[in-house]
Amino acid sequence: DTAVSQTPKYLVTQMGNDKSIKCEQNLGHDTMYWYKQDSKKFLKIMFSYNNKELIINETVPNRFSPKSPDKAHLNLHINSLELGDSAVYFCASSEGLVADTQYFGPGTRLTVL
Amino acid sequence: AQSVTQPDIHITVSEGASLELRCNYSYGATPYLFWYVQSPGQGLQLLLKYFSGDTLVQGIKGFEAEFKRSQSSFNLRKPSVHWSDAAEYFCAVGPSLDTGRRALTFGSGTRLQVQP
Repeated sequence: DTAVSQTPKYLVTQMGNDKSIKCEQNLGHDTMYWYKQDSKKFLKIMFSYNNKELIINETVPNRFSPKSPDKAHLNLHINSLELGDSAVYFCASSEGLVADTQYFGPGTRLTVL
Repeated sequence: AQSVTQPDIHITVSEGASLELRCNYSYGATPYLFWYVQSPGQGLQLLLKYFSGDTLVQGIKGFEAEFKRSQSSFNLRKPSVHWSDAAEYFCAVGPSLDTGRRALTFGSGTRLQVQP
């Protein structure tokens, strides 16, 4: 059984479009995250939700909006896509906020043309 | 602010040789430390973690890491590398109530190539 799943795995779209990436975890965790991995493999936190409440919002453009309908889901919606948004986006989850291991999804490779 | 440095961008070793990947962190107190591995086209998989206690931690796939407070290091080791170990390795410092940091801080990664 997949612990943290993301859809789609690949997403190719044109500049200016709006797209969403979905994430689901079946681990019963309270906290979920979105990370962005750029072309140089650098990983950076974007957002985090704990019990459906936004707790981390790192300097990310307003075009990115996370939504957590329940504890098991954290979706990422991106408006007006730009070339620089091309990256791999990883969802992760953890039981708590501090000392707990984060479990990562397989990633969504977004390519903006 | 906490930070993580992986000095080696790229390392090549021969199959069967030993391996050490370096990781240095900047943090005031005892950090929570992690090593993750990312195989090509895959997500991140946890290899091992250090929270407290024994400074030598064992992980999956035959990896181990040693926490050295005096050197602010958490180097990853494996006595005999297999071709399937070729991947990107990330060291990370965990969230901290002390710094207010609530997410993992990753190093820039070390790409491991294994020669036959």
